[in-house]
Amino acid sequence: DVKVTQSSRYLVKRTGEKVFLECVQDMDHENMFWYRQDPGLGLRLIYFSYDVKMKEKGDIPEGYSVSREKKERFSLILESASTNQTSMYLCASRPANQGAYGYTFGSGTRLTVV
Amino acid sequence: AQKITQTQPGMFVQEKEAVTLDCTYDTSDPSYGLFWYKQPSSGEMIFLIYQGSYDQQNATEGRYSLNFQKARKSANLVISASQLGDSAMYFCAMRDQGAQKLVFGQGTRLTINP
Repeated sequence: DVKVTQSSRYLVKRTGEKVFLECVQDMDHENMFWYRQDPGLGLRLIYFSYDVKMKEKGDIPEGYSVSREKKERFSLILESASTNQTSMYLCASRPANQGAYGYTFGSGTRLTVV
Repeated sequence: AQKITQTQPGMFVQEKEAVTLDCTYDTSDPSYGLFWYKQPSSGEMIFLIYQGSYDQQNATEGRYSLNFQKARKSANLVISASQLGDSAMYFCAMRDQGAQKLVFGQGTRLTINP
């Protein structure tokens, strides 16, 4: 069964800390995505990557950075966590040129910044 | 720019009734895809159904059907004979042809009452 695994289900961090959210997929997918989910706002794209070391900003990249050193792993980095980054974070992956389908999501990381 | 609007924050339905979840969209691309996802309390996003902009017939997958009205730019999800296990958040999403990212609506929380 194909999988996208997010390393932590729940995370509590202090304001100002550097935070790493990890996502690993075992499907050899080229594309990987980080979304943020907030009540009433749905899912909003933070960053995505279409290849190793390649990345593009999504709709809300401010305060975040990403790293993709290996095809299977896509990390989201909060350089200096703030309380307004308390949210649910979802990772997804998709093969290139899949057409209509192919998005697989992880189970999410619920981050609380105190 | 793409935009998805779900105007029903919450819906309450009796078990075994049919339910329609509303979704309207906006895009300037003539070729696009529309998706519906279910998110149970466990957090994972479960793909339900897909409709391509050039598909002649409305998509169906078991108890799920998509009422696609292209001129009105609407893509409502219809769940027939609702079950208690259908209680979840439901998201409408779209992807323009050639784009990699999904754009999501705000979501609708569906509660099925026994």
